[in-house]
Amino acid sequence: DGGITQSPKYLFRKEGQNVTLSCEQNLNHDAMYWYRQDPGQGLRLIYYSQIVNDFQKGDIAEGYSVSREKKESFPLTVTSAQKNPTAFYLCASSIDGREVFNEQFFGPGTRLTVL
Amino acid sequence: AQSVTQPDIHITVSEGASLELRCNYSYGATPYLFWYVQSPGQGLQLLLKYFSGDTLVQGIKGFEAEFKRSQSSFNLRKPSVHWSDAAEYFCAVAGWGNKLVFGAGTILRVKS
Repeated sequence: DGGITQSPKYLFRKEGQNVTLSCEQNLNHDAMYWYRQDPGQGLRLIYYSQIVNDFQKGDIAEGYSVSREKKESFPLTVTSAQKNPTAFYLCASSIDGREVFNEQFFGPGTRLTVL
Repeated sequence: AQSVTQPDIHITVSEGASLELRCNYSYGATPYLFWYVQSPGQGLQLLLKYFSGDTLVQGIKGFEAEFKRSQSSFNLRKPSVHWSDAAEYFCAVAGWGNKLVFGAGTILRVKS
């Protein structure tokens, strides 16, 4: 089955540690996205990538980093510089990020808790 | 800058009753509008989208939405709610750079 996988589903880390969230898609989509979701705030865009080896900052990129070395993979690193990293993180992809009407498909999310 | 407002944080309806979730947007050009649904602890699923043409859009699971340019609204409706519709619903507008801007969401509870 085609889709987006995110692992792990739950992640616990100590304050000050970097942590990397995995996102893999087998939909052959060009564009991939990372969102952060906090209660009552909807989804906010962290980073997005329209093509391999290229990515752009979203609205809340500070304290995060990404890479896009392969079409199917878009890992997100939450660094120690992120002041409030505890949140639900969602990865999405779309067939072509240049066309706004293309649906974004979402993964099941990773809940990160920093202790 | 574009923005989306969902005025209702929570809505409770009885099973079988009709439903309307409100969405107001702010965007200078012709908006591309979306409604997504999220079950607890899950990702989002697209219900429907509007780009142009007929202002009444049909989606999956029996949902529909009506685009009203004069009111800057894109309200989601369903004639008869089922218990399985309990979830959080997000309205979104595609803005600058083809990025989605989401509202804060409306949590729907269904009473049996």
